[in-house]
Amino acid sequence: DIQMTQSPSSLSASVGDRVTITCRASETIRTYLNWYQQKAGKAPKVLIYAASSLQSGVPSRFSGSGSGTDFTLTISSLQPEDFATYYCQQSYSIPRTFGQGTKVEIK
Amino acid sequence: EVQLVESGGGLIKPGGSLRLSCAASGFTFTDAWMSWVRQAPGKGLEWVGRLRSKIDGGLTDYAAPVKGRFTISRDDSKNTLFLQMHSLRPEDTAVYYCTTDHYYGSGSYWASWGQGTLVTVSS
Repeated sequence: DIQMTQSPSSLSASVGDRVTITCRASETIRTYLNWYQQKAGKAPKVLIYAASSLQSGVPSRFSGSGSGTDFTLTISSLQPEDFATYYCQQSYSIPRTFGQGTKVEIK
Repeated sequence: EVQLVESGGGLIKPGGSLRLSCAASGFTFTDAWMSWVRQAPGKGLEWVGRLRSKIDGGLTDYAAPVKGRFTISRDDSKNTLFLQMHSLRPEDTAVYYCTTDHYYGSGSYWASWGQGTLVTVSS
C-alpha cells in the first residue's frame, strides 16, 4: 500500500496568511494526487485533483503542485471560511489512501 | 444536482450485521463507479471499497480491514448503492460516506459525497 504523509499535522494561521501544506507519498504516484477540505461535521469536498487542477467552483486562492512523491497545497490568502482539515489522497493504485490530515486553526 | 443520501446506520453489537444504503440522483447512476469512505470519530478518512459500473464489469475492490466481511452492491433499477457489513468490530465504528468516482484518464477523485451515516459497534 502507498503511504501518504502530510505535514504539518496542524497549524495556526491568521486571515490573510499564505499557508502551505505538504504531502509525501511512499512511492511515486506521478500526479495522481487529490486534495480535500473537510469542515467539522461535514463531508469532504474536493479542491484539487491531478495534483494541480482546480475543481470547478473552488476559489483560485487554492493551488496545488508537485509530482512523483512530493506535493503541496497552497492557500494564497487564508480566509475565515478556510479554517478546516485538509487531506491529500492518492488515486494511483488500490487501495486508495489518504494522508492523516492537516488541521488549519485560527491564530 | 447530484444527490447522495445514505441511510441504515445505527448501533449494532460486535459480530452483528448491518446494511447501508445510498440513494443517488442527479446523474446517470448506471454508468457510475461508486465508493464508500469512512471516518472513525475524531480520526481521518479511510477508503472502504469501490464498485464499478455493470458496463465496466461490475467488479469490486476492498480495503484490507474489511475484505471478506463487507460487500458493496448496487441496484441500478433503484439508483441505489449498498454496503453489506458482517462480523462487525468496534473498530468499524465510523461515519460511512457514499461517493461518486470521477475519472480523468487513469486518475480519479471523489466529486460528490453524501452526508454520511453513523455506524456504532458496541456492546
